[in-house]
Amino acid sequence: SYDLTQPPSVSVSAGQTARIPCSGDALPKQFAYWYQQKPGQAPVLVISRDSERPSGIPERFSGSSSGTTVTLTISGVQAEDEADYYCQSADSSGTLGVFGGGTKLTVL
Amino acid sequence: EVQLLESGGGLVQPGGSLRLSCAASGFTFSSYAMSWVRQAPGKGLEWVSAISGSGDFTYYADSVKGRFTFSRDNSKNTLYLQMNSLRAEDTARYYCATGDRTVGFDYWGQGTLVTVSS
Repeated sequence: SYDLTQPPSVSVSAGQTARIPCSGDALPKQFAYWYQQKPGQAPVLVISRDSERPSGIPERFSGSSSGTTVTLTISGVQAEDEADYYCQSADSSGTLGVFGGGTKLTVL
Repeated sequence: EVQLLESGGGLVQPGGSLRLSCAASGFTFSSYAMSWVRQAPGKGLEWVSAISGSGDFTYYADSVKGRFTFSRDNSKNTLYLQMNSLRAEDTARYYCATGDRTVGFDYWGQGTLVTVSS
């Protein structure tokens, strides 16, 4: 099976920059997507195709890719950004979908 | 406005069956691949299955292959997930979403809870 690896937790002070990495062997071949999920709510797509920001997502959310690692960056973190964040992609053949284990972002 | 409304969840015994539905509106349903994603209580997201816009192609996670069947009725703008031989580890909230594993999941429903327990 194919796995995406994220850190379980990231903590950052309000106003600072949070970076959440996600690593996987197929990431050079497949786009990555990032989702934000707050307690009791459905996930929301915040980054598409490695680095594209969907309509309505604040500019402080950005994504980047380098080799087998993609990174979600939240600049000027706000208290409302406290949530779980998941990366998602496909295996090298594009047959199977996969999510990372999720990263809990805590805003201090 | 895109709306996805799941239904059909509930309590079922191990080995039993359940059929989930997802009613879609606000977009050209037949033009979009669709997917199911689940989340066990307190756990992360797990991709379950995807279906092409026409319904001709389906894809399944290894954990459900051979037990779950994903179908769609484009005349009714509705998805179906037939779940057979259910196990305790299938207990989760099941979300339907627009898109699939290679293009991401743009819109999500609120999910329906499936509990497999005796």
